[in-house]
Amino acid sequence: GAGVSQTPSNKVTEKGKYVELRCDPISGHTALYWYRQSLGQGPEFLIYFQGTGAADDSGLPNDRFFAVRPEGSVSTLKIQRTERGDSAVYLCASSTLAGDTQYFGPGTRLTVL
Amino acid sequence: SQQGEEDPQALSIQEGENATMNCSYKTSINNLQWYRQNSGRGLVHLILIRSNEREKHSGRLRVTLDTSKKSSSLLITASRAADTASYFCATGPNSGNTPLVFGKGTRLSVIA
Repeated sequence: GAGVSQTPSNKVTEKGKYVELRCDPISGHTALYWYRQSLGQGPEFLIYFQGTGAADDSGLPNDRFFAVRPEGSVSTLKIQRTERGDSAVYLCASSTLAGDTQYFGPGTRLTVL
Repeated sequence: SQQGEEDPQALSIQEGENATMNCSYKTSINNLQWYRQNSGRGLVHLILIRSNEREKHSGRLRVTLDTSKKSSSLLITASRAADTASYFCATGPNSGNTPLVFGKGTRLSVIA
């Protein structure tokens, strides 16, 4: 079956612009996670959803970051007023209701000029 | 913040040799997982070991867990050039759906 997909694969934007990153989880997976990975580092947790609601958003760095999952499937990570420090690979993962294993998408590489 | 620390940060070996990577963590866990990442993109899940397990095998992979020392090791036997990648340990503090806490990774290079 299809894995987790993310679009776009690459996004280049200018400082101050708004961006949206999309994640399509594995069909039937109720849990969806967003992570951010900077160069030379491991992924860092941002937010996760159980169904439509954000179960834990403690990893979001500030209020410029926001994520939604209105129908409990596709999720969108939104970043307002982007800064150069937001440049990173944004990874999405999904898992089953009680699953410990998270399946990752290929990521979106965001570059803020 | 990152809980895990992989050791070494980088490892270079000849094809056919075994590769051992270590991971230490700080707080109690429910499980520990190892992932592989090629070219800084998506992570591939390799193996999960639960806190009540001490050793687990999957093909050429062998993972050990020592909860008293808060450490784990990943052994790749008979390495191949295709094993070249970054390897991350990630801890799950609770069972079920919880965010993973990743280390910084070990960069493995297998030379043909």
